[in-house]
Amino acid sequence: GEDVEQSLFLSVREGDSSVINCTYTDSSSTYLYWYKQEPGAGLQLLTYIFSNMDMKQDQRLTVLLNKKDKHLSLRIADTQTGDSAIYFCAESNSGNTPLVFGKGTRLSVIA
Amino acid sequence: SQTIHQWPATLVQPVGSPLSLECTVEGTSNPNLYWYRQAAGRGLQLLFYSVGIGQISSEVPQNLSASRPQDRQFILSSKKLLLSDSGFYLCAWRGLRNEQFFGPGTRLTVL
Repeated sequence: GEDVEQSLFLSVREGDSSVINCTYTDSSSTYLYWYKQEPGAGLQLLTYIFSNMDMKQDQRLTVLLNKKDKHLSLRIADTQTGDSAIYFCAESNSGNTPLVFGKGTRLSVIA
Repeated sequence: SQTIHQWPATLVQPVGSPLSLECTVEGTSNPNLYWYRQAAGRGLQLLFYSVGIGQISSEVPQNLSASRPQDRQFILSSKKLLLSDSGFYLCAWRGLRNEQFFGPGTRLTVL
């Protein structure tokens, strides 16, 4: 089946930029998503990118998509302690099939 | 606007007892609905999804079952809980871009 891979941990200093990477295998992906999960809470949709786009920026968040390499990244500028969470990458290939999620990257922000 | 509710928020049950977790969605009609389990704050395991009333797809064979008695209600059940059923249970519905919106989750501890 289709797969989404992410590194498990990332540690950054407050004020630095964070870059969380993701690779996927489904060449027919239509949308790709980033979710944030804080402790004890459900997943919150942060942003998404359509597969015919290369980049999407939303305030401190920048999503880059390299469709040729099937690589997605999320850059968080000026990382704050409130950004500490688990970040999930997910992909969709339309229809009724559920999203395929990565296992999540735990971001720790050091003050 | 759409909202998704889950209850109870936390539950402690003995091994061998029954289970019923409820998920309801407001503000949308005939949504695709999903049940996930998350163990130890890590990856998501898709358990069931439903594209309509009475339609359930099971992703993982186990002692859990799901039902969709009404358009915006999705129920997760078990006749006899196992220790391994402990975890964080998340319900989600699908939006127009195939994204999934998650509820706040139910923390289940089986003793």
